[in-house]
Amino acid sequence: NAGVTQTPKFRILKIGQSMTLQCAQDMNHNYMYWYRQDPGMGLKLIYYSVGAGITDKGEVPNGYNVSRSTTEDFPLRLELAAPSQTSVYFCASARSSTDTQYFGPGTRLTVL
Amino acid sequence: AQTVTQSQPEMSVQEAETVTLSCTYDTSESDYYLFWYKQPPSRQMILVIRQEAYKQQNATENRFSVNFQKAAKSFSLKISDSQLGDAAMYFCAYMNTGNQFYFGTGTSLTVIP
Repeated sequence: NAGVTQTPKFRILKIGQSMTLQCAQDMNHNYMYWYRQDPGMGLKLIYYSVGAGITDKGEVPNGYNVSRSTTEDFPLRLELAAPSQTSVYFCASARSSTDTQYFGPGTRLTVL
Repeated sequence: AQTVTQSQPEMSVQEAETVTLSCTYDTSESDYYLFWYKQPPSRQMILVIRQEAYKQQNATENRFSVNFQKAAKSFSLKISDSQLGDAAMYFCAYMNTGNQFYFGTGTSLTVIP
């Protein structure tokens, strides 16, 4: 039981490049979340999903896209990377909206 | 939009002593959930404790307890018998019934041996 896994751990992008941050969970959780954490700040919700095929915007969705084709996977796509997207990205999953969220180890992304 | 405020960027406590971390939030909703998360240097977010707004009783988890004052919109975390392993960033979080999460800016807790 690996819990929530994220890849890659680190990535440096040039402005305008695209990339996908991968997130997978093996706990059969319906709810999955993407957050970003800027230096010295709390987490901000980017997107979330309540089940396969269903996604919804969080507080800061601009510049990102998500998909949820399976229960296990919830990738986050950056289409045109900008310096403002430099952050640490966390994926999380939960059995329900009020249950404990289990977080992945995070992906540190730098856009230069 | 809801906001969560943690007014103490840094706190310190002697080992075995008690410390209280403050959190206030702003909402017009009556039904919501509140959480305290711990983030050690490993960056992994770990749930410490949670509170349902409709429950009058304050949540308790071993050495961790909360003081939930709904009318004052206050949700403080008390750590008793502090241990070196408690040193971390602590985040207060609010979740509304629409599954939207809002986090505070965190309090860095240092435990002094």
